[in-house]
Amino acid sequence: DAGITQSPRYKITETGRQVTLMCHQTWSHSYMFWYRQDLGHGLRLIYYSAAADITDKGEVPDGYVVSRSKTENFPLTLESATRSQTSVYFCASSSSGVHNEQFFGPGTRLTVL
Amino acid sequence: GDSVTQMEGPVTLSEEAFLTINCTYTATGYPSLFWYVQYPGEGLQLLLKATKADDKGSNKGFEATYRKETTSFHLEKGSVQVSDSAVYFCALTEGTSYDKVIFGPGTSLSVIP
Repeated sequence: DAGITQSPRYKITETGRQVTLMCHQTWSHSYMFWYRQDLGHGLRLIYYSAAADITDKGEVPDGYVVSRSKTENFPLTLESATRSQTSVYFCASSSSGVHNEQFFGPGTRLTVL
Repeated sequence: GDSVTQMEGPVTLSEEAFLTINCTYTATGYPSLFWYVQYPGEGLQLLLKATKADDKGSNKGFEATYRKETTSFHLEKGSVQVSDSAVYFCALTEGTSYDKVIFGPGTSLSVIP
């Protein structure tokens, strides 16, 4: 399917476990982003990537790890999940950074017990 | 630092009513301004944008004008439909930074028949 997809859509895990959220886009967009959405905070940027093998921190990177070995994939890993990481996570892509339209995936709802 | 303020709602309107969602911003330079919309269960989609003062963005009957003198980018629609029920996010980007996009907290809109 064309577009941007995320998996899983829903995930329940326990404190301390490692969790990886997947993001895949078919447009060959250079830029990819990970956001978390929490009530009252809007969206906050976790990490972004300008190209394969280039990643950088956003506003709230602590506790998360990313990689980008291929242009189309941008997985987000919670190395040791905490309850404060319970959130909805959105992946997005853009052809040329945040000044142009970002295309968002459908989101992953993560619950950490 | 840069920030976006918008009415959080929820806003409830009857079908065919006039809609205004206020958005004001604080920025040190000359930001680009965006409205994104999130329909239930989906990711965000770009609704409209404006890149310089006095620009008007428009799409699907929605309009917003970039007002530098009042640092505002209010979203308006003359006649809302039930299908417009969603969460609306005001956002800004500034300069050449790839990651500096600031989202407001979102305004939930419910349109009743």
